[in-house]
Amino acid sequence: GAGVSQSPSNKVTEKGKDVELRCDPISGHTALYWYRQSLGQGLEFLIYFQGNSAPDKSGLPSDRFSAERTGGSVSTLTIQRTQQEDSAVYLCASSLIAQTDTQYFGPGTRLTVL
Amino acid sequence: KNEVEQSPQNLTAQEGEFITINCSYSVGISALHWLQQHPGGGIVSLFMLSSGKKKHGRLIATINIQEKHSSLHITASHPRDSAVYICAVPVYGGSQGNLIFGKGTKLSVKP
Repeated sequence: GAGVSQSPSNKVTEKGKDVELRCDPISGHTALYWYRQSLGQGLEFLIYFQGNSAPDKSGLPSDRFSAERTGGSVSTLTIQRTQQEDSAVYLCASSLIAQTDTQYFGPGTRLTVL
Repeated sequence: KNEVEQSPQNLTAQEGEFITINCSYSVGISALHWLQQHPGGGIVSLFMLSSGKKKHGRLIATINIQEKHSSLHITASHPRDSAVYICAVPVYGGSQGNLIFGKGTKLSVKP
């Protein structure tokens, strides 16, 4: 079956613009996760959804970052007023029920803020 | 808040060698993840462990909950095993919630 998909695969934007990143999880997966990996850095957890709810938003780096999930499926990560330090690969993953299940990762969106 | 340490940071091995990668954490958990990140950037979940040992092909993962330590072993290593291996645990312990990641172990297997 289809895996986790993300769009766009690459995004180049100017500093100060808003961007939206999309994640389509595996059908039927109720848990969805957003991560970030900056160049040469490790993985950073941003937020996870159980259904449409995000129990813990403390991983979001600043209030310029927000995420939503609708219909228990597609999720959008929005970054407002982008800064150069936001440049990174943004990864999405989903799992069947909870974090004790195997997570399946998407290919990521490479964001470059000029 | 949990802290995760992985060792070694870098590892070079000859094809066929037995590989061990270690992960230690500071706050008790009941679930630990091992991930593999290929040179192209794609990430694959290898194991989710809550106790004991799991085996998948040439990969074996073990966890000692009392000692807060997990190991990932690769038997008969092959150049295609070259990747970054990352462990992850819940930030506040337990089994749920946000994850915190180790910095990864970069493995290079030479033919």
